Amino acid sequence: DAKTTQPNSMESNEEEPVHLPCNHSTISGTDYIHWYRQLPSQGPEYVIHGLTSNVNNRMASLAIAEDRKSSTLILHRATLRDAAVYYCILNSSGGGADGLTFGKGTHLIIQP
Amino acid sequence: NAGVTQTPKFQVLKTGQSMTLQCAQDMNHNSMYWYRQDPGMGLRLIYYSASEGTTDKGEVPNGYNVSRLNKREFSLRLESAAPSQTSVYFCASRVHRDTEAFFGQGTRLTVV
Repeated sequence: DAKTTQPNSMESNEEEPVHLPCNHSTISGTDYIHWYRQLPSQGPEYVIHGLTSNVNNRMASLAIAEDRKSSTLILHRATLRDAAVYYCILNSSGGGADGLTFGKGTHLIIQP
Repeated sequence: NAGVTQTPKFQVLKTGQSMTLQCAQDMNHNSMYWYRQDPGMGLRLIYYSASEGTTDKGEVPNGYNVSRLNKREFSLRLESAAPSQTSVYFCASRVHRDTEAFFGQGTRLTVV
């Protein structure tokens, strides 16, 4: 399975933008880039996903490098409720085993 | 909509006991999944069901069995619980492998 690399933790201030990086140098053409987050004592929550173009939704933006070997999740204005572990996952739409492969993610700390 | 519902939320078992974790989704999703999450780790896939009537092993299937009872329900059974199965178990569902996944709130299982 294609893997991703994320920093273990990041810290940001409330009401400031947050850029969470992810490297996926072995990404294949059929891999979508998915982001999930997990708040304390909860199940993971879908944030956003994309294939090649940048994507925006009400929660965040996803910026994908032109060579697709890295991506950045952007929270435009962080709040205390955004403190969570953020997972960058490659989801293959091609053949092979189904399911999402979670790494350890990035623990995002938001300072008031 | 309730989304993905897991029961029970908490359970304590003695070594060697059996139990079944229940999962139901009301979103008419085709694919369903069982994950486990150990402290400080990401989620690991135990089993999945890409459609009603099919099940497949994930990364860590040993010691578990599953049943896709119908389109809504996907259960996970521990036949003879071991302390190594102490974990938080998450059920998830999605329309198909290319779409976003929705997770339940988890079952916290302790085997003593």
